[in-house]
Amino acid sequence: KAGVTQTPRYLIKTRGQQVTLSCSPISGHRSVSWYQQTPGQGLQFLFEYFSETQRNKGNFPGRFSGRQFSNSRSEMNVSTLELGDSALYLCASSLVGPIESTDTQYFGPGTRLTVL
Amino acid sequence: GQQLNQSPQSMFIQEGEDVSMNCTSSSIFNTWLWYKQDPGEGPVLLIALYKAGELTSNGRLTAQFGITRKDSFLNISASIPSDVGIYFCAGSQGGSEKLVFGKGTKLTVNP
Repeated sequence: KAGVTQTPRYLIKTRGQQVTLSCSPISGHRSVSWYQQTPGQGLQFLFEYFSETQRNKGNFPGRFSGRQFSNSRSEMNVSTLELGDSALYLCASSLVGPIESTDTQYFGPGTRLTVL
Repeated sequence: GQQLNQSPQSMFIQEGEDVSMNCTSSSIFNTWLWYKQDPGEGPVLLIALYKAGELTSNGRLTAQFGITRKDSFLNISASIPSDVGIYFCAGSQGGSEKLVFGKGTKLTVNP
């Protein structure tokens, strides 16, 4: 079974631009969560999608948005990029949700975003 | 907001030594998870704990869910070079609640 895939793996943008990152969950998984990882803040939860609906949201500004498609693939978008948005963006998928009984969350390799 | 205090921040040990790291929280969690992240990769789940007091092993790894529900520890026995990486604890209050992560423990194993 293929794991979680994220594209692109690396991205360089300049301030003010926008970016779209893509995540394909494990086949059959319906929940996709997004995280931002930085050396200073660690792993910060962005949002979670389940069956095309945003079910949970972290404390990030409205410049960060996402969506999920009917095939469970998800995209996240960051508009008006700032230098502080440079980070590793991780996507994780699970069958039903981040924590549901013995449900397990599987992470992708991440997209390394650098904002210049 | 919720925070997890993970310690130590980093560890330098010799191959063959045992390792212990822990996470504490001011809030009660219903689930504790331990992940390992290798450079350039996403975190990989090592152990999941769902009951207070639960002690679970995965090979040389052992983790426990504290009785107070506010802490958890991870032990690695007889460390080997491939144990190198960053270990994260994560907690959740259950249901569809988001995962909260600790800041990680960076483990270096000298051969």
